[in-house]
Amino acid sequence: QQQVKQSPQSLIVQKGGIPIINCAYENTAFDYFPWYQQFPGKGPALLIAIRPDVSEKKEGRFTISFNKSAKQFSLHIMDSQPGDSATYFCAASSPGGSYIPTFGRGTSLIVHP
Amino acid sequence: ETGVTQSPTHLIKTRGQQVTLRCSSQSGHNTVSWYQQALGQGPQFIFQYYREEENGRGNFPPRFSGLQFPNYSSELNVNALELDDSALYLCASSFAGTYGYTFGSGTRLTVV
Repeated sequence: QQQVKQSPQSLIVQKGGIPIINCAYENTAFDYFPWYQQFPGKGPALLIAIRPDVSEKKEGRFTISFNKSAKQFSLHIMDSQPGDSATYFCAASSPGGSYIPTFGRGTSLIVHP
Repeated sequence: ETGVTQSPTHLIKTRGQQVTLRCSSQSGHNTVSWYQQALGQGPQFIFQYYREEENGRGNFPPRFSGLQFPNYSSELNVNALELDDSALYLCASSFAGTYGYTFGSGTRLTVV
């Protein structure tokens, strides 16, 4: 039973493009939605996170869009760079779940120069 | 402020053996969680420790066990290793009651 569904599995864009990664969740108790970035040989690192009381959050070139009614959220990477090539994971947490993140399956992003 | 450190970085074990992985939590954190990340998959929650007791467990069999020490460091023990246990094992620390999880770089376990 996958509580957080992530798509696409892989994504290839040219430098300057805007890759979009989508996630959907089922548990309405989730109230914190982080995105993690993982490089090969490293652990996931928190990139940006959103709470359901806002519909959008921007941090630098990274933007989260959140649709509470559809139970969906997405990550947009503006002006993508080759250094953004990594695996991206969406996750969701709730106080009732001891704040433990439940992860999506990940999206492998390649940004070509 | 030190981050989460895990040891060893790589490990090769034979099926049926036992393994112990170690994790030092980030300064100021009192909770440790362990995740298994198979190749090409997202991290799967194994269990969490708080106040030296298991505080939540994912869908993993009892041969996966752990410990948390008074200094908040932790161990993950896996008995009777199976080939499917080959994965990256991630440790994450946090402060109880908060959303901020910091991950280590993981231990790559290969079971042959």
